[in-house]
This record gives sequence, structure tokens and C-alpha cells, in this order.
Amino acid sequence: DTGVSQDPRHKITKRGQNVTFRCDPISEHNRLYWYRQTLGQGPEFLTYFQNEAQLEKSRLLSDRFSAERPKGSFSTLEIQRTEQGDSAMYLCASSPPGQGWEGDTRELFFGEGSRLTVL
Amino acid sequence: GQQVMQIPQYQHVQEGEDFTTYCNSSTTLSNIQWYKQRPGGHPVFLIQLVKSGEVKKQKRLTFQFGEAKKNSSLHITATQTTDVGTYFCAGPPRSNYQLIWGAGTKLIIKP
Repeated sequence: DTGVSQDPRHKITKRGQNVTFRCDPISEHNRLYWYRQTLGQGPEFLTYFQNEAQLEKSRLLSDRFSAERPKGSFSTLEIQRTEQGDSAMYLCASSPPGQGWEGDTRELFFGEGSRLTVL
Repeated sequence: GQQVMQIPQYQHVQEGEDFTTYCNSSTTLSNIQWYKQRPGGHPVFLIQLVKSGEVKKQKRLTFQFGEAKKNSSLHITATQTTDVGTYFCAGPPRSNYQLIWGAGTKLIIKP
């Protein structure tokens, strides 16, 4: 399967613990996104990488959240000192290179997600 | 802030009836994308509309992008059980590339 893969699929943790999620995008995709989704809502943008560069981070994102994409391939999302409000599905998506014109967006290919439950 | 509103939140239909969801943005969008998320699944890309007034069809699905590029609709003719799921619209404002997502419309087929 050459789709986007995420690990782990489910994580239960106690409040205050740190958690890390991994995303392996489709190999030829240079863009990688992290989203958070709660029940009944659309995906909420967290951060975006183009190759290894983190180009944008949501203003709503707490400094407890950090993401990396060290070699421009897989990415990790770490949440430190988890809170109950962090419970959500964390979705990773990748997309192929754009053509460079303003507003150029490509379709997103999502992984199955990592569901976080903070007790 | 920039918002994309989607209505209705839920729609219950009998199998064979039509379904429509509407998407309205507070700002002009560069393009609009539609995704489908099955229960327990992840969003899957359906289509992208780029041009003002554009209409695209995929079998029983018809997608429209408004003339002002601020609204869009998805219409499904003669729904089937395989259509069940939540349909999301998402689009980037002209000023940047990140998608702003609607909250989705959940299509429920009545037993």
C-alpha cells in the first residue's frame, strides 16, 4: 500500500504525559499537513511542511505542540503535557507539488488518523 | 476570521431521494474542494472546482462553484446506501494556500 500511513492508530494516555505521532506520506509528495478533527467538525489545520521546511503553523496551536519533518519524508507530531482537551483524531495528509501559481492547491491524501484519548 | 459555513448539518433521506449540501464562504476562494468521509474513516477527495460558475459531474454527483467564488453546492441524485457519510467542502482564501473547512453535512439514509 503506497498511501499515507500513520502510527499509532490509537493512543490512550494520562493527562500530563507526552505523546508522539508519526506520519509517512506518499513518497513523491513534498507537502505534508497535520490536522486535528473532533466529532462533528471538519478538519482543523495545525501545521504544514513543504519538504523539510515548516512553512505555516496555526495561530491556535499551543506551544505544547511541535512537529518535525527532518529529512523531508516522514513527520512527527509531539504533544507535551497532554490535556483532556487534546483528545481528538490527528490526521496527516500529503499532496503533490503545486505548479506555483497563486492559490494553487492540490488534493489532499489523508491517512487513517491517530486517535488520541487523554484520561 | 475567515469562515466556511456548510448547511444543513444533517440530512435524512430515503434511499432513492436526492441530497444537497451548500457551502458558503465569508471570503472569495481560489478554488473549492469536496471530500467525503465515511463513518469511522478519513476524508477522501472527490473533486476540485477552480473557475467561477463551474459545474462538474461525477455520475450521480453534481458540483457547482458560484459566480462570485464564495459558494458551492453538491447535489446527489437518487441516493444509495454507499453515499452515506459526511461531505465536506474546503477552500483556500485568495490570500494564502491553506484550506478552510466547513463543518460538513452528514448524509443519513433512513431505514
